Amino acid sequence: EIVLTQSPATLSLSPGQRATLSCRASQSVNSYLAWYQQKPGQAPRLLISAASKRAAGIPARFSGSGSGTDFTLTISSLEPEDFAVYYCQQGNNWPGTFGQGTKVEIK
Amino acid sequence: EVQLVESGGGLVQPGESLRLSCEASGISFSSSWMSWVRHAPGKGLEWVANIKEDGSEKYYIDSVKGRFIISRDNAKNSLYLQVNSLRVEDTAVYYCARVLVDIVVVPGTIYYYFYGMDVWGQGTTVTVSS
Repeated sequence: EIVLTQSPATLSLSPGQRATLSCRASQSVNSYLAWYQQKPGQAPRLLISAASKRAAGIPARFSGSGSGTDFTLTISSLEPEDFAVYYCQQGNNWPGTFGQGTKVEIK
Repeated sequence: EVQLVESGGGLVQPGESLRLSCEASGISFSSSWMSWVRHAPGKGLEWVANIKEDGSEKYYIDSVKGRFIISRDNAKNSLYLQVNSLRVEDTAVYYCARVLVDIVVVPGTIYYYFYGMDVWGQGTTVTVSS
């Protein structure tokens, strides 16, 4: 099973700041990696698919990069609604797996 | 409107069963791979099972193999998860989701790669407790 390790566990930032989230895979997942945002009591929301493709309706401040084992989600300038938990997910090998999440909180 | 609506969750005792349902609207359901994902309290997300568009291929995580059955009825735009022999550790919110799939054909073999889940339901809660 491929293990996804997200860092940091918590990111304390202010609105307007840049957020950089990392996801590292225990073996290559090629570009079969997605990023999700989840808020309390809500379902996850797809932000990025295939490592770098922004999903429909996702603002341009969200971007994804990487391939192989190292991936990054960048939020260029945090808006108040961006404070949430972010998960990465790989689908290169079954079972598909999620990272443990990074919480982006207001500083 | 694109929508997935789950139902069927509840409070059950260990060893009991439930049938979770997910009704789709606004998507081409019969052309979509579908999944069940769960989120246990205080834990991360877990991808439980996948099913191909026509139901001919199914994938499960090891911890539910032999206990859970994923199925679908394309005529009813519906996805199901039969959950049997429930354990306390199966307690979670269960989501259905549409999966984006990349298909790679190599002579003699077809590989499926899953690169995101773009439509999610609101979830149904399963609580297993004595």
